[in-house]
Amino acid sequence: DQQVKQNSPSLSVQEGRISILNCDYTNSMFDYFLWYKKYPAEGPTFLISISSIKDKNEDGRFTVFLNKSAKHLSLHIVPSQPGDSAVYFCAAKEGRAGNNRKLIWGLGTSLAVNP
Amino acid sequence: EPEVTQTPSHQVTQMGQEVILRCVPISNHLYFYWYRQILGQKVEFLVSFYNNEISEKSEIFDDQFSVERPDGSNFTLKIRSTKLEDSAMYFCASSPTGSGANVLTFGAGSRLTVL
Repeated sequence: DQQVKQNSPSLSVQEGRISILNCDYTNSMFDYFLWYKKYPAEGPTFLISISSIKDKNEDGRFTVFLNKSAKHLSLHIVPSQPGDSAVYFCAAKEGRAGNNRKLIWGLGTSLAVNP
Repeated sequence: EPEVTQTPSHQVTQMGQEVILRCVPISNHLYFYWYRQILGQKVEFLVSFYNNEISEKSEIFDDQFSVERPDGSNFTLKIRSTKLEDSAMYFCASSPTGSGANVLTFGAGSRLTVL
């Protein structure tokens, strides 16, 4: 069941350059998307999110773009810093009535930012 | 900053034994969750809990699993008779109501090793 796919298991960029992490999804019922960052031996930490009614959300160095027609979202980090080195997870939530908060996760992309 | 705390950080148990994983969610959060990640695989939803009852559970969350909020602060996951395939990192999460309800805050995880 690959409703959320992160096709790049790893990405390496130079400090100061842009990091672009990609995520594709298949379920058109998803109405909310989140990016989480995870360091080893820690839990996932929320980074940024976007509602399906928007196509862009920006928070400091982090911007998430959503292309609903392509069922694709991307996370841009600019400029990248060595402290950004972590595993980045894309997660999505279905828009259903009731108290649904179930997140469907991608496999993650390991980002390495080299000094 | 408020955080979700989980204990133990690592538990080793024999197959067939009962295990209880404990979580203290953020104090003003009302939604609670358990997720797990088997090594090398995706983060998977197990169960969500709201208003003292299960609001949703996955196919993984069978009769061997149960959750409880025994007091005003703890949220526990019990596995009655552990199997080898229950070995995983178990993450507890919580979220508030209102505009932040879609953003889950995760604990650092409890690693369960079943021998």
